[in-house]
Amino acid sequence: DVKVTQSSRYLVKRTGEKVFLECVQDMDHENMFWYRQDPGLGLRLIYFSYDVKMKEKGDIPEGYSVSREKKERFSLILESASTNQTSMYLCASSWDRRSSYNSPLHFGNGTRLTVT
Amino acid sequence: QKEVEQDPGPLSVPEGAIVSLNCTYSNSAFQYFMWYRQYSRKGPELLMYTYSSGNKEDGRFTAQVDKSSKYISLFIRDSQPSDSATYLCAMRPGTYKYIFGTGTRLKVLA
Repeated sequence: DVKVTQSSRYLVKRTGEKVFLECVQDMDHENMFWYRQDPGLGLRLIYFSYDVKMKEKGDIPEGYSVSREKKERFSLILESASTNQTSMYLCASSWDRRSSYNSPLHFGNGTRLTVT
Repeated sequence: QKEVEQDPGPLSVPEGAIVSLNCTYSNSAFQYFMWYRQYSRKGPELLMYTYSSGNKEDGRFTAQVDKSSKYISLFIRDSQPSDSATYLCAMRPGTYKYIFGTGTRLKVLA
C-alpha cells in the first residue's frame, strides 16, 4: 500500500512565524502535491512537484513556498504565517507523469494548522 | 459555474440501504475519475479509480461513469454505520490538475 506520511497532525503557530510542513512518501512516486482543505471551499491546490527540485504553482500559491530536494520528501513552507492560513493541509503523491495510465492521488492524513 | 458539482448533503440513510452518491461535471476533457472517502480529521482515502465509461465494482462499492451525460456515481450496497463519512469525487483531464467536488456527507443510521 502507498503510504504518505505528514510529520505533524496538529500544529499551533503564531502570526509571523515561519512554518514548515513535511511530507514523505514511500512508493517512489514522481509527483507530489500540497492542498489545503477548508469547509465550503473543498480542496485547493497550493503547489505541486513532478520531479526533484521541480515545482509548479497551483491555484493559491501566495504566501507559500515549497522544497523538494529528495524524491520522497516534499515540504511546504509558510514564510510568515497569517490567521487566514489556518486550515487543514493535505499532502498527496501520484505515479509517473509519463505513464499512459495516470495514477490517482494518494493522500496523507493531513496537518491541521492553527495560526493565532 | 463550477467544473464539478456535488451535493453537500448531509444524506442520512438507515443501515443496510443502498446509497447513491453523484457528481456532474462540465469539462468533456476529463478522462480519469476517482472517489475518495474522508473520515473526520483524516485525509481522503481512495475508494475507486476509473478511466472509462461504464461500471467498476469493488466489494460493496460500484463506480459508474457516463461520459455522454457528464455524470458519475458511487453506489454503496448494504451500507454500514462505518460508511458514515464525507465522499469526494475527483477527476482529471490527463494533466497534473485534479478537480474535486466539495464532498457529500453521508450518515448511516444503526
